[in-house]
Amino acid sequence: EAQVTQNPRYLITVTGKKLTVTCSQNMNHEYMSWYRQDPGLGLRQIYYSMNVEVTDKGDVPEGYKVSRKEKRNFPLILESPSPNQTSLYFCASSRATDYGYTFGSGTRLTVV
Amino acid sequence: AQRVTQPEKLLSVFKGAPVELKCNYSYSGSPELFWYVQYSRQRLQLLLRHISRESIKGFTADLNKGETSFHLKKPFAQEEDSAMYYCALSRSYNTDKLIFGTGTRLQVFP
Repeated sequence: EAQVTQNPRYLITVTGKKLTVTCSQNMNHEYMSWYRQDPGLGLRQIYYSMNVEVTDKGDVPEGYKVSRKEKRNFPLILESPSPNQTSLYFCASSRATDYGYTFGSGTRLTVV
Repeated sequence: AQRVTQPEKLLSVFKGAPVELKCNYSYSGSPELFWYVQYSRQRLQLLLRHISRESIKGFTADLNKGETSFHLKKPFAQEEDSAMYYCALSRSYNTDKLIFGTGTRLQVFP
């Protein structure tokens, strides 16, 4: 089944403890992206990648890192999480900009 | 600056009534526009792409460049249409920045 898989689905962590949210897609898509969803703010793009080893900042990249060492994986790294990064995170992939994204099921992160 | 505006946070209608979810955008180039839907406790799903001019689940959306709008319409709402709807804009050239509106919650009452 064609899909975008994120792990974990839920995560509670403490301020400053490094964490990684994994994202994998099995559709051979070139484009991958990370979003955070917050009440009243909708979805905001954190980082995106147009191909292996090609990444760029979205609208809210501060406090996040990404890497794209292989086509299928696009992990999101929080080196030193803070409470304002408590949010619902979505990974997504697409084969072209005009095709629209396939989204993962989300990761709900709480930083205390 | 690129922006997507969905002026209504909540739209409530009765089953069988027409629905129009508003979306306005600001972008100086040729935009690519999408509608996404998020049903309760589910992931976002692509509903429509303006480039394909398709009708999905009875929904249509027409790009009006003069009014910079991409409103989502359905002539007869169903209860299963209740969901969160997001309009999104993508620049088409050499980038993958996708900008979402803040979303409109559609409630369809029986």
